[in-house]
Amino acid sequence: GENVGLHLPTLSVQEGDNSIINCAYSNSASDYFIWYKQESGKGPQFIIDIRSNMDKRQGQRVTVLLNKTVKHLSLQIAATQPGDSAVYFCAENWRWAGGTSYGKLTFGQGTILTVHP
Amino acid sequence: DGGITQSPKYLFRKEGQNVTLSCEQNLNHDAMYWYRQDPGQGLRLIYYSQIVNDFQKGDIAEGYSVSREKKESFPLTVTSAQKNPTAFYLCASSASYSNQPQHFGDGTRLSIL
Repeated sequence: GENVGLHLPTLSVQEGDNSIINCAYSNSASDYFIWYKQESGKGPQFIIDIRSNMDKRQGQRVTVLLNKTVKHLSLQIAATQPGDSAVYFCAENWRWAGGTSYGKLTFGQGTILTVHP
Repeated sequence: DGGITQSPKYLFRKEGQNVTLSCEQNLNHDAMYWYRQDPGQGLRLIYYSQIVNDFQKGDIAEGYSVSREKKESFPLTVTSAQKNPTAFYLCASSASYSNQPQHFGDGTRLSIL
């Protein structure tokens, strides 16, 4: 399944499928990006991060892709499991163009991922 | 276990009352943060602290106050001036202020009586 943007905040997939969650970020000068997973009633949990000098980074069952040309970030989850059901947030680290990194994380709206057994 | 502890998990505020939310970390992180999360929304930054004895306003600081007297502690006070305090409050910390992942506690849910 594929989420085509923040105007579709819900993604439903079958167990075992690959999931792709997309995020459009706002600041072309942002230099650091993070994906978080948030389960109901809990705080966000760090999944994976990527710096702007990279296009791709892989973790365990997850891959983050960064396309700076179109300011787009995606999270790919391989072999999605019911335990992956949660809200997923992308966050960008704002950097003032030409200046020092500001350090503020700006969070996206989030995408609800539901995995059906 | 290293981590961030927020307490209490649930908190109720009466009209005109100030309440304080606790956040403690044993990760030896320099930077700490407070966020507010409303239903179906992302996180909004209330206050942040880059180092002990220093803190800065975030995007929605009005009606809130903080202190950072110890490295491991960053309490948030929701004052009576905050007219819409009902929300999920999240505390986070990071090793340094910039380009480092922030690690979150499990939040405090504040409601008005």
